[in-house]
Amino acid sequence: GEDVEQSLFLSVREGDSSVINCTYTDSSSTYLYWYKQEPGAGLQLLTYIFSNMDMKQDQRLTVLLNKKDKHLSLRIADTQTGDSAIYFCAERGTGRRALTFGSGTRLQVQP
Amino acid sequence: NAGVTQTPKFQVLKTGQSMTLQCAQDMNHNSMYWYRQDPGMGLRLIYYSASEGTTDKGEVPNGYNVSRLNKREFSLRLESAAPSQTSVYFCASQTLGGEAKNIQYFGAGTRLSVL
Repeated sequence: GEDVEQSLFLSVREGDSSVINCTYTDSSSTYLYWYKQEPGAGLQLLTYIFSNMDMKQDQRLTVLLNKKDKHLSLRIADTQTGDSAIYFCAERGTGRRALTFGSGTRLQVQP
Repeated sequence: NAGVTQTPKFQVLKTGQSMTLQCAQDMNHNSMYWYRQDPGMGLRLIYYSASEGTTDKGEVPNGYNVSRLNKREFSLRLESAAPSQTSVYFCASQTLGGEAKNIQYFGAGTRLSVL
């Protein structure tokens, strides 16, 4: 079946850039998403990218998609302590109603 | 605008007890979903409902039942709880097409412990 993989943990210093990586196996993926989960809360959509795009920028967030390698990344510029959370990558394949999620990357931002 | 509301937020059950997790959305979405989140495993789909009156199994449906009561409400029932069902349960609803691009919106979760 479809699989989405992420590294489990990333630690950065406040003000640095963070890059969270994700790989997926479904070549029919149409949309790819990044969600943020703060402690004790549900998942909040950060951004998404359509599979025919290479890059999408939204304020401090930059999403890069390498469809050939099935690799997605999320760059957070000028990372703040409020960015500390778990970040989930998710994808939707053609004809599928549900999302497939990665296991999440815990981002720790140190002052 | 409340979005997706889940109740209860916390619950402790004994093995063999039953309970129903409630979910309601006020965004007029057609599709609704139940996921469970376990450490290191991301979210796994339990059941979903593409529209009022329809439900389908997801990746991990065993031990659960669902009811799509109306367009707003989608409930998840554990008939005989087991310790393996200790998890955080999330309900989500989904837009369809247009600029919203099939985005799923999540509730705050129900934290369930089965002793």
